[in-house]
Amino acid sequence: VIWMTQSPSLLSASTGDRVTISCRMSQGISSYLAWYQQKPGKAPELLIYAASTLQSGVPSRFSGSGSGTDFTLTISCLQSEDFATYYCQQYYSFPPGFGQGTKVEIK
Amino acid sequence: EVQLVESGGGLVQPGRSLRLSCAASGFTFDDYAMHWVRQAPGKGLEWVSGISWNSGSIGYADSVKGRFTISRDNAKNSLYLQMNSLRAEDTALYYCAKDRAYGDYEAPHFDYWGQGTLVTVSS
Repeated sequence: VIWMTQSPSLLSASTGDRVTISCRMSQGISSYLAWYQQKPGKAPELLIYAASTLQSGVPSRFSGSGSGTDFTLTISCLQSEDFATYYCQQYYSFPPGFGQGTKVEIK
Repeated sequence: EVQLVESGGGLVQPGRSLRLSCAASGFTFDDYAMHWVRQAPGKGLEWVSGISWNSGSIGYADSVKGRFTISRDNAKNSLYLQMNSLRAEDTALYYCAKDRAYGDYEAPHFDYWGQGTLVTVSS
């Protein structure tokens, strides 16, 4: 099992801020990492896969970076619709696992 | 438009069984692996089970292995999860999710999700 540490668990920010969320693995996973956004009462939505590839339709203010054990999701200019919970997910090995989540709230 | 519609959730007593279904449309169902992911109330996401396009490869989380069975019917564009010996800790919203990668089961990540069906295990 690959252990995942996502941080921070809670992030307070303002519209227009640049925010970063970290996801660290207990072992290398190459670039087999995805990021999801989940809003209250809604299903998760895929933002990024292969660590840095933007899913179709996702705004370019979202970006992902990293490989091996350390990964980052960056939102370059936070918009009101971006206040949500974000999850990383490794798909390098079974079972696929999710990070604990980062809630981005209004400061 | 891709649509995944789950059904079959409800309130069930510990030790009993429940069968979830997921009706898929808007894509070629038998080209993709499919998965179940759950979310306990107020908690994070947990992958439960996955099945390859032809049912040749199947996997389960340790927490459900031996109790849950995943299956699919490509002729009906449907995915199923048979849940036996249910426990209180199985209480969650169960999502049906489509694998993003064409024909791939070995690197599961999910580009479309249903809205979920709630399973509550309680006496």
